[in-house]
Amino acid sequence: GAVVSQHPSRVICKSGTSVKIECRSLDFQATTMFWYRQFPKQSLMLMATSNEGSKATYEQGVEKDKFLINHASLTLSTLTVTSAHPEDSSFYICSGQGTYEQYFGPGTRLTVT
Amino acid sequence: DQQVKQNSPSLSVQEGRISILNCDYTNSMFDYFLWYKKYPAEGPTFLISISSIKDKNEDGRFTVFLNKSAKHLSLHIVPSQPGDSAVYFCAAIIQGAQKLVFGQGTRLTINP
Repeated sequence: GAVVSQHPSRVICKSGTSVKIECRSLDFQATTMFWYRQFPKQSLMLMATSNEGSKATYEQGVEKDKFLINHASLTLSTLTVTSAHPEDSSFYICSGQGTYEQYFGPGTRLTVT
Repeated sequence: DQQVKQNSPSLSVQEGRISILNCDYTNSMFDYFLWYKKYPAEGPTFLISISSIKDKNEDGRFTVFLNKSAKHLSLHIVPSQPGDSAVYFCAAIIQGAQKLVFGQGTRLTINP
C-alpha cells in the first residue's frame, strides 16, 4: 500500500505556543489529504479536508483559525495548532486519498502542558 | 448523527477460531465500505473493502460480507491469530465524494 509519514510522532508544548505537524505522501501524489483527531477510546473525527493549492474545508465545529492547514504540494500538508491549550492534547492523524482508500500516517501525539 | 455504527466496543476470541466484527450504517447513499485495523499510537491500516455491487469480498483470512437490505456489513477473520489483536474500524463512503465516515471501532483481543 501507499506510505504516508507524519512528523513529529510525539510533541509536548506549553500552553499558548503553536505546533506544526507535517504529513507527507512518500510514494504517491495526494491531491487530497485529510486531518483527523482521535480522543482516547473514540472514533476518528475528521477535522478538515485539504486540497492541494486551495483552502482547506473544515468540518463543523472545527476552528479554522486555530487549526491552520496548508497543502502546498501534492506530497505535503501541514497542520498548525495555534495558541495550543491542554484541551488540544490529542492524537492527530493525517491521510492521503487513493482511488477509494485513504492511506493513513502513523499519527502525532500532541500533549499541551 | 452516527451514520456508521459498531455496536460492540470489544470482542474476545480464542486463537484459531473465527472473529466476526459487525458494522451497521444508516445512509443508503453509501456505496463503498472499508475495514481498517489500528494498533495503539499508530495510524489505521487498510485491510479490505467492498463495493455495494457485491455481497462478499475475500482476501486470505479476511472476508467482508455486505447485506444492503439490512445496511449491515461484517468482517470475518479465520483463523484468528494473536497478531490480529487491534482496534478495527469500519468506514463508508459515497463514491465520488471524498469523506470517509468511520464507526467507533471494535477492540479485538485474540487469546492464546
